Amino acid sequence: SQQGEEDPQALSIQEGENATMNCSYKTSINNLQWYRQNSGRGLVHLILIRSNEREKHSGRLRVTLDTSKKSSSLLITASRAADTASYFCATDDLQGAQKLVFGQGTRLTINP
Amino acid sequence: GAGVSQSPSNKVTEKGKDVELRCDPISGHTALYWYRQSLGQGLEFLIYFQGNSAPDKSGLPSDRFSAERTGGSVSTLTIQRTQQEDSAVYLCASSLVRGYYGYTFGSGTRLTVV
Repeated sequence: SQQGEEDPQALSIQEGENATMNCSYKTSINNLQWYRQNSGRGLVHLILIRSNEREKHSGRLRVTLDTSKKSSSLLITASRAADTASYFCATDDLQGAQKLVFGQGTRLTINP
Repeated sequence: GAGVSQSPSNKVTEKGKDVELRCDPISGHTALYWYRQSLGQGLEFLIYFQGNSAPDKSGLPSDRFSAERTGGSVSTLTIQRTQQEDSAVYLCASSLVRGYYGYTFGSGTRLTVV
């Protein structure tokens, strides 16, 4: 079953604008991760945020985590055409499950 | 190797045939995962290997699916008597230490059952 749910399912913005994607989940987690996927193939790990962290930055990426609301957001600043991809959140369950559970993803399109 | 390698990259097979998909993880990564992704969908967990521990097979959709990992390295996912609903991209990932690092994914095998 899917734990993370991304919102929106699709997002289209102009190059240079900021893009924000949200993820909600249901259980207690060890960490939450964001991945990017181009062309329906392999995923690329972007950032991992632990349950005791509230915010993390990596280049133009900013991830927040609110464990009380069981939600996370991914902000991409100053978007570029190359950011066009699908973005997935994935949760590492604290309940002993030994795998990441992925959401359905947000399809991001950056228009030049 | 430098990354996770999967082969073949594409496979077309006739319904009822068996297929084997191969994954070569990053050297030293003790954790290995198989997922599958149908068109436009999220990732569905299939199976997880961690070192010499018994694998977590809880995601395998039927007894037609099996996987093994030899010598703690290369893994093979086998689908017997393939059905059209097995058509998907099968993704393999490895990780150095669960919970501390992200997964490194291969490019996947696109399986088409005709």
